[in-house]
Amino acid sequence: RKEVEQDPGPFNVPEGATVAFNCTYSNSASQSFFWYRQDCRKEPKLLMSVYSSGNEDGRFTAQLNRASQYISLLIRDSKLSDSATYLCVVTSNSGGYQKVTFGIGTKLQVIP
Amino acid sequence: DVKVTQSSRYLVKRTGEKVFLECVQDMDHENMFWYRQDPGLGLRLIYFSYDVKMKEKGDIPEGYSVSREKKERFSLILESASTNQTSMYLCASNYPPEAETQYFGPGTRLLVL
Repeated sequence: RKEVEQDPGPFNVPEGATVAFNCTYSNSASQSFFWYRQDCRKEPKLLMSVYSSGNEDGRFTAQLNRASQYISLLIRDSKLSDSATYLCVVTSNSGGYQKVTFGIGTKLQVIP
Repeated sequence: DVKVTQSSRYLVKRTGEKVFLECVQDMDHENMFWYRQDPGLGLRLIYFSYDVKMKEKGDIPEGYSVSREKKERFSLILESASTNQTSMYLCASNYPPEAETQYFGPGTRLLVL
């Protein structure tokens, strides 16, 4: 089983739609969780952190469910500019170092 | 604003050539990382470094080596390039207070013929 699993998509949604992605992780001792965004042929950039209490940044809401070991990202009122690949990132302690594991990413295409 | 730069955006090399990929960050970050990214496999860690002259193997170090002679520079070396090393290579850096947030360079697309 992969450490971090995501549905690669693509998710094709119309402008204005609400779309949600899930990501599951296998290590119950994982410590921190993030969503990164990667535009086509560009580098990944941090979108938002994910906290147990959930967090919201404008149209984006991230949530963590430790019991079921998954995190989610909800995008409301999708814009064309939201088209990108969304990477789930999980960190854990490994041999005294902070291990960062990336999912393969979920591709979102917002269509007019 | 953090800046991570990589020496080349696109590179074409022949099998057996020695390849150097350079990464420089300007924010005095202690931690630096090299990843490769392939379709369906995501980002995989090749090597990382938490200090000058220090290096640690990541998940897929075979066929690669690294050098960190100065804090701001982390080099990835392919001793003898092979076609299965054709990939997108991404460098990243961060510093311990924010050890979980990584700042990436623009990437180098390497094609090995």
